[in-house]
Amino acid sequence: DSGVTQTPKHLITATGQRVTLRCSPRSGDLSVYWYQQSLDQGLQFLIQYYNGEERAKGNILERFSAQQFPDLHSELNLSSLELGDSALYFCASSVGDHTEAFFGQGTRLTVV
Amino acid sequence: DAKTTQPTSMDCAEGRAANLPCNHSTISGNEYVYWYRQIHSQGPQYIIHGLKNNETNEMASLIITEDRKSSTLILPHATLRDTAVYYCIVRVLPNRMGAQKLVFGQGTRLTINP
Repeated sequence: DSGVTQTPKHLITATGQRVTLRCSPRSGDLSVYWYQQSLDQGLQFLIQYYNGEERAKGNILERFSAQQFPDLHSELNLSSLELGDSALYFCASSVGDHTEAFFGQGTRLTVV
Repeated sequence: DAKTTQPTSMDCAEGRAANLPCNHSTISGNEYVYWYRQIHSQGPQYIIHGLKNNETNEMASLIITEDRKSSTLILPHATLRDTAVYYCIVRVLPNRMGAQKLVFGQGTRLTINP
């Protein structure tokens, strides 16, 4: 158990819908990262937050957005969903001045 | 971050040492080498990292060449549960608060055979 909690574990939704994925980082970790992993694809970095502020942005679509709240949990919002958005979405967290990131078990999103 | 090159796949017999190579010939002096693994759609798991000295922990050993252009992750006594995709990543240790993103390549798919 990495200490990073992601909910829900599975999500099935229709095209055009909007969903919110939630991540609770390890206690004390200030950085949260989001990654997308499509079937047979590598892990694609989406976005990073540090103590509530956006720190780095990767290949995140405009239909996607994220935020980190004062209690340090983070949410990834995916809107106008397309079939191609079906993927595993991972959240990771790390302590601010350490660099080992610990990953949650992911949310498997299926868009039908 | 420097680019890494890893073999696409490798096989190893159970109980033997698994040696996973990684080439990072363009690594800079302030870049660390990290290893993660991902077991069948689970979240990636941190294994080990190092700068220039060899490192060892309860999971593995990391051997970095003197010129730092390549490294080898060693799983000393591989078990079936070590079957996974192993990722070698180089990244800069941040000089200010806030960790840097991890950029994953395609990794090496290691299969441990009984």
